[in-house]
Amino acid sequence: EAQVTQNPRYLITVTGKKLTVTCSQNMNHEYMSWYRQDPGLGLRQIYYSMNVEVTDKGDVPEGYKVSRKEKRNFPLILESPSPNQTSLYFCASSLKRGGFYEQFFGPGTRLTVL
Amino acid sequence: GQQVMQIPQYQHVQEGEDFTTYCNSSTTLSNIQWYKQRPGGHPVFLIQLVKSGEVKKQKRLTFQFGEAKKNSSLHITATQTTDVGTYFCAGPMEAAGNKLTFGGGTRVLVKP
Repeated sequence: EAQVTQNPRYLITVTGKKLTVTCSQNMNHEYMSWYRQDPGLGLRQIYYSMNVEVTDKGDVPEGYKVSRKEKRNFPLILESPSPNQTSLYFCASSLKRGGFYEQFFGPGTRLTVL
Repeated sequence: GQQVMQIPQYQHVQEGEDFTTYCNSSTTLSNIQWYKQRPGGHPVFLIQLVKSGEVKKQKRLTFQFGEAKKNSSLHITATQTTDVGTYFCAGPMEAAGNKLTFGGGTRVLVKP
């Protein structure tokens, strides 16, 4: 089954404790990205990746890191989480050959930073 | 900065009635995508429009891309309870490279 998986689905942590949210897709997609969703603000892109070893900042990259060592995986790293990073996070992937295509979203990770 | 606005933010609709949600960009979009997110779920792709003035239909949903490629609309006829959710538009702004910008969404509530 074609899908995007994220782990964990729920996480409660404390300020400053490094964490990683994993994202994996099995569709051989080139383009992967991370979004955060906050009430009234819609989906805001954090980082995206055009392919292996190619990453770039989205609209709200501060406080986040990503890596793309393999085509299928795109982990999101919070080196020192703060309460303002409490949010619902979505990973997404799509084909990217010239133009943009349908984004496939993961189920989401609800993060609370105390 | 470059942004995509959606109006209205909330839409209460009587079951059976029609409504339209609008998406407006501050700059030209290469194309526009629409997504639906059910309560507690993740965004699911509905459609993509690429050409200026393009109109596409999916059953009771009609999507339109503006002539100037800076706005789009989603019109739903004979609203049903299954239409409940938040509808997002998204597009790559031509000057923003490969970033995707989403609108704030229109949250649709249906009154039976």
